[in-house]
This record gives sequence, C-alpha cells and structure tokens, in this order.
Amino acid sequence: AQKVTQAQTEISVVEKEDVTLDCVYETRDTTYYLFWYKQPPSGELVFLIRRNSFDEQNEISGRYSWNFQKSTSSFNFTITASQVVDSAVYFCALSEAGTASKLTFGTGTRLQVTL
Amino acid sequence: DVKVTQSSRYLVKRTGEKVFLECVQDMDHENMFWYRQDPGLGLRLIYFSYDVKMKEKGDIPEGYSVSREKKERFSLILESASTNQTSMYLCASSLMGQDDQPQHFGDGTRLSIL
Repeated sequence: AQKVTQAQTEISVVEKEDVTLDCVYETRDTTYYLFWYKQPPSGELVFLIRRNSFDEQNEISGRYSWNFQKSTSSFNFTITASQVVDSAVYFCALSEAGTASKLTFGTGTRLQVTL
Repeated sequence: DVKVTQSSRYLVKRTGEKVFLECVQDMDHENMFWYRQDPGLGLRLIYFSYDVKMKEKGDIPEGYSVSREKKERFSLILESASTNQTSMYLCASSLMGQDDQPQHFGDGTRLSIL
C-alpha cells in the first residue's frame, strides 16, 4: 500500500528565510503522481503542483521550487525568501495509476512565517 | 473558475442525529470525494464516486454513507452521529481520465457532535 510521510510537523521561520518542506513516499507502482497542496487558515486546499513518476525534472515557479528524486523517494518543496502569506499547512500527496485519482495524503507540515 | 461548494462552514449536531453534508461542483467533474481532516492525521478518504449512483469505500467508511443522484452533487451522510465524528470534512472533485488530474477542494465543513 502507498504511504506519504511528512516528518516535519511544524516549522517556524522569519520572513525572507528559505525553507524546505520534506516529503517521502512509498509505492510499489512504477507509474504514480505526486502533488503538493497548500491549506491557508481559511481552510480550502489549494493545488500547487503535480509531478508524474517519469518526469524527474525539478520545477521552479516564482519563489517556489520542487525537487523530485526517485532514488530517495522524495518530493521536497522549497520556498525561497519566505513571506508571511506563506503561512499555511502544506500537504504532500500521492496517486497511483488506475485509482481514479484517489489521493493518499501525508499528515501535513504547518509553516509559520513571522516578521 | 473551478468551484466546489459545501453547504455549511460550521455545523453543530447531537449524538444519534442523522447528519447530511452536501457538496456541489460546477465543473462537470466525474470524480467526487469526501475526506475528513484531523490534527496529526492529515486527510483520510471516507468515500468517493466516479459516476452518478456509483460509490466506492475509502479508507475509513465506517459510520458513513454517501449519495450521488446527480453528477454535480455528492452527499455525505452520518447515519447516527457520534462524538468521534467531530471533525473537519472536505469535499473534492476531479476530472476522469489520467490519474494525474488534481482534485479541487471546497472550503470544508467543521462539524461538532455534542
């Protein structure tokens, strides 16, 4: 069975610091998809990125970047020059092929960015 | 723009009541999902549906049932509410097809069972 581990329960940083959120996954499938979602205090989960298992290219979007490494089964998320608006709970999730997009979520990492 | 609407943000019910949580999406998505979110446990899948009148159990279906009579609406039912069902409930939808389709979430319903 698949599993997603986010070992960092809570991270606190000062604005402008860089921060990396870790995500380690387990799956027996060779075809799978990885996602990151952000949950701000308002409660709604916001989709940030998806990656398929055949594409190990890292991705950068503004201050956000993602590092996918199959060799270590990790899909880490880095925020550069963090801002107060980045404060949220971040979830990593996994979907296996043929599962109708069913997601297995990690337990989430709460990021607190202070001035 | 994509929209998933849950009928209530906050709900308070009593033990033993039958509780209905409603979710509507306007994106013509085939797949719909119900999760509950608890501190330290992340999101856990209760039920999902990939078509009208179709439903499949998720990881924690006990004490819940669902109904999907129309494509846009997916209801979660607590047959006889208990205090351990106090939680945040999140509805989501996604397109059928490739399993890389992201799920789109509603704002959540914070349910308290007294």
